[in-house]
Amino acid sequence: NAGVMQNPRHLVRRRGQEARLRCSPMKGHSHVYWYRQLPEEGLKFMVYLQKENIIDESGMPKERFSAEFPKEGPSILRIQQVVRGDSAAYFCASSLQGAGQETQYFGPGTRLLVL
Amino acid sequence: AQTVTQSQPEMSVQEAETVTLSCTYDTSENNYYLFWYKQPPSRQMILVIRQEAYKQQNATENRFSVNFQKAAKSFSLKISDSQLGDTAMYFCAFRSNKLIFGTGTLLAVQP
Repeated sequence: NAGVMQNPRHLVRRRGQEARLRCSPMKGHSHVYWYRQLPEEGLKFMVYLQKENIIDESGMPKERFSAEFPKEGPSILRIQQVVRGDSAAYFCASSLQGAGQETQYFGPGTRLLVL
Repeated sequence: AQTVTQSQPEMSVQEAETVTLSCTYDTSENNYYLFWYKQPPSRQMILVIRQEAYKQQNATENRFSVNFQKAAKSFSLKISDSQLGDTAMYFCAFRSNKLIFGTGTLLAVQP
């Protein structure tokens, strides 16, 4: 059973470009979470999605950031007009259920570098 | 607001010895879950152990165990017989609906 997959593993963008990060949850998991880890910091929650629905986006910046989890295909975290402060590791996690007791399993992360 | 505090930015332990990483949290909720994740140099987040708040018995996974004190809101991780492969950043996390992470403790196991 493959784990959570993320691609690309590394992404370099120039200021003003768009970054598109993909996450395929574990097989059978329909709940996806995105976290951001700035250098030397812990992970910060960004958004929680279930198939075709955003459940909680309280941690996501209001501008330039969006996320989706379509019925078919991976979850996408999209950052428009990237700035240097967006440089970070972005982790995706998935769980079987969305309830609080469900363990979240993490992908390997995408390291975004904005030049 | 729910917060997780790890007061030890770095720790060091000799191979084969025991080390305890501390974690405290703040919440007004009664039902929640606590986790320890490990992040080795590869930066992959790996689940180490989890604890349900309604369970009084401390969770144990092989060499890893926790000391969960609900009244004190404390959730420390004990690693016994430390191995070189345990060298990593360790994050304590609290979950009611979303995961809230502490700032991490960098553990170095010395040969």
